[in-house]
Amino acid sequence: ETGVTQTPRHLVMGMTNKKSLKCEQHLGHNAMYWYKQSAKKPLELMFVYNFKEQTENNSVPSRFSPECPNSSHLFLHLHTLQPEDSALYLCASSQGRGGLSYEQYFGPGTRLTVT
Amino acid sequence: DAKTTQPTSMDCAEGRAANLPCNHSTISGNEYVYWYRQIHSQGPQYIIHGLKNNETNEMASLIITEDRKSSTLILPHATLRDTAVYYCIVRVASYNAGNMLTFGGGTRLMVKP
Repeated sequence: ETGVTQTPRHLVMGMTNKKSLKCEQHLGHNAMYWYKQSAKKPLELMFVYNFKEQTENNSVPSRFSPECPNSSHLFLHLHTLQPEDSALYLCASSQGRGGLSYEQYFGPGTRLTVT
Repeated sequence: DAKTTQPTSMDCAEGRAANLPCNHSTISGNEYVYWYRQIHSQGPQYIIHGLKNNETNEMASLIITEDRKSSTLILPHATLRDTAVYYCIVRVASYNAGNMLTFGGGTRLMVKP
């Protein structure tokens, strides 16, 4: 148990569906992250939020829309996805920008399958 | 950030020490070495980090060479549950730097009975 929870753990959706992934951290951190991990590929950073503001968008297609209502919650809204978007989506949290630590704490991930 | 090079895979006998090397020959003076691991289908887990001194915690030891161009992560008594992909990451530590980490391919450690 890392203090970062993600729901759902598994999701199957059609290409025309709209769904959302949820992440919650109970660590008092001020930075939250979305990563994507496709089969046999390294983790790819998607988005970074510091103190609720998006500070990094790693050229992610607009069919992925993040939302960070407060420092403890992070959402990833999904719409009109493609089969190649099937992957493990991981959320992480850490101290916010301005700190020296890069200790990121990861959730268990959401295994997404797009049919 | 400096690039790292790790072997693709390694085996280790259960109960023996696992020594995982990482080469970071272009590391600069203000860059830390971080280690994470990822057990199959789980999120990565932070293990340890260091700047130039050797570090030890309840999970592992980190040995950094004097010239800082390479490091070794040591799991003193590997168990089957240590089977995972281990990532070595070099990252500048600065109050003004971004807080992103870049994960490479890592080393797949297989602990065998």
